[in-house]
Amino acid sequence: GAVVSQHPSWVICKSGTSVKIECRSLDFQATTMFWYRQFPKQSLMLMATSNEGSKATYEQGVEKDKFLINHASLTLSTLTVTSAHPEDSSFYICSAVAGGTTDTQYFGPGTRLTVL
Amino acid sequence: QKEVEQNSGPLSVPEGAIASLNCTYSDRGSQSFFWYRQYSGKSPELIMFIYSNGDKEDGRFTAQLNKASQYVSLLIRDSQPSDSATYLCAVNLGGTASKLTFGTGTRLQVTL
Repeated sequence: GAVVSQHPSWVICKSGTSVKIECRSLDFQATTMFWYRQFPKQSLMLMATSNEGSKATYEQGVEKDKFLINHASLTLSTLTVTSAHPEDSSFYICSAVAGGTTDTQYFGPGTRLTVL
Repeated sequence: QKEVEQNSGPLSVPEGAIASLNCTYSDRGSQSFFWYRQYSGKSPELIMFIYSNGDKEDGRFTAQLNKASQYVSLLIRDSQPSDSATYLCAVNLGGTASKLTFGTGTRLQVTL
């Protein structure tokens, strides 16, 4: 149980284009999903908290107009990197928390974004 | 002062030995404590969570929590080369929407 998927697993795009990353909880409903970014040899950096049916809460320094998050259902959250630039190249990872009393975050496999 | 501190390592242990990974945290309000394993280029994988003081065992893994000392540890018995990875300690204040605060991770190397 507690499987989280991400799509795509990797993507290469040209500078200035937008990229959408999907995060799905496969066998549970996720009331809350989180989006992280990780640069090589660095720790995870939380970008935003996504709650189903409401606006995402962004961490300080994360541009909400650049990183658009939509949590339209209890099993799907999407992160869109708009007008991507080479400095946005990173490993993007989502996590999901099941409803109820648990607060355990289960991570997706991550999406490696390379912006040329 | 970092909120969650871990020794970055690498911690090198021979195959079959016990690996001991340590973590301290600063927020006394922390309620939930997690250990994740992250292989290079992969996302974190949950190993264990612990909420109460004391020990919690799951197979070869034992998590230990001491809230008075603000200390949580992970013991790996009979270490295998496949255990070689970075181990992330994470804490939160409890609640389903509670954010995790991660340590920087300890790199474990299990040698043959």
